[in-house]
Amino acid sequence: DSGVTQTPKHLITATGQRVTLRCSPRSGDLSVYWYQQSLDQGLQFLIQYYNGEERAKGNILERFSAQQFPDLHSELNLSSLELGDSALYFCASSSQGRDEQYFGPGTRLTVT
Amino acid sequence: GQNIDQPTEMTATEGAIVQINCTYQTSGFNGLFWYQQHAGEAPTFLSYNVLDGLEEKGRFSSFLSRSKGYSYLLLKELQMKDSASYLCAVRDEGRDDKIIFGKGTRLHILP
Repeated sequence: DSGVTQTPKHLITATGQRVTLRCSPRSGDLSVYWYQQSLDQGLQFLIQYYNGEERAKGNILERFSAQQFPDLHSELNLSSLELGDSALYFCASSSQGRDEQYFGPGTRLTVT
Repeated sequence: GQNIDQPTEMTATEGAIVQINCTYQTSGFNGLFWYQQHAGEAPTFLSYNVLDGLEEKGRFSSFLSRSKGYSYLLLKELQMKDSASYLCAVRDEGRDDKIIFGKGTRLHILP
């Protein structure tokens, strides 16, 4: 158990819908990262927050957005969902933003 | 451009040693990570190299040469539970500090 929690574990929704994925980092970690993993693309870095502020941005689509709240939990919002958004979405946290990252169990999103 | 290359698949025998190579081309460099990922599970951290040289951690070692854009992960005394994907990732300081992952190397261990 990494100490990072993600909800929900599974999510099935239809194209065009909007969903919110939630992540709680390990106690004391200030950095939160979001990743997307699909079979053909491997693990893709989406975005990183550090203590509530955006720190680094990867290949995150404009339809996707994220934020980190004062209690350090983070949410990833995915809108206008397409079939190709079906993937595993991982959240990870780290203590200083440059050290090892601890991954949550992931949310499996299926868009039908 | 940015590129991380590692072999797609490797096979090794239980008890043996295997070396998984990773080469990278990024606009900046601020550290290289290795992760292990079992099928259907989250990645787990193995190592982080920012300086040249070899770092040893039990049965696993990681090597970095920044001048060559090259790293390897060495696994000794292989066990069946080492069957997994091994992901190489680079923190690219030149690109807003984003983290770029390779597609991973699937390692199969034979008894």
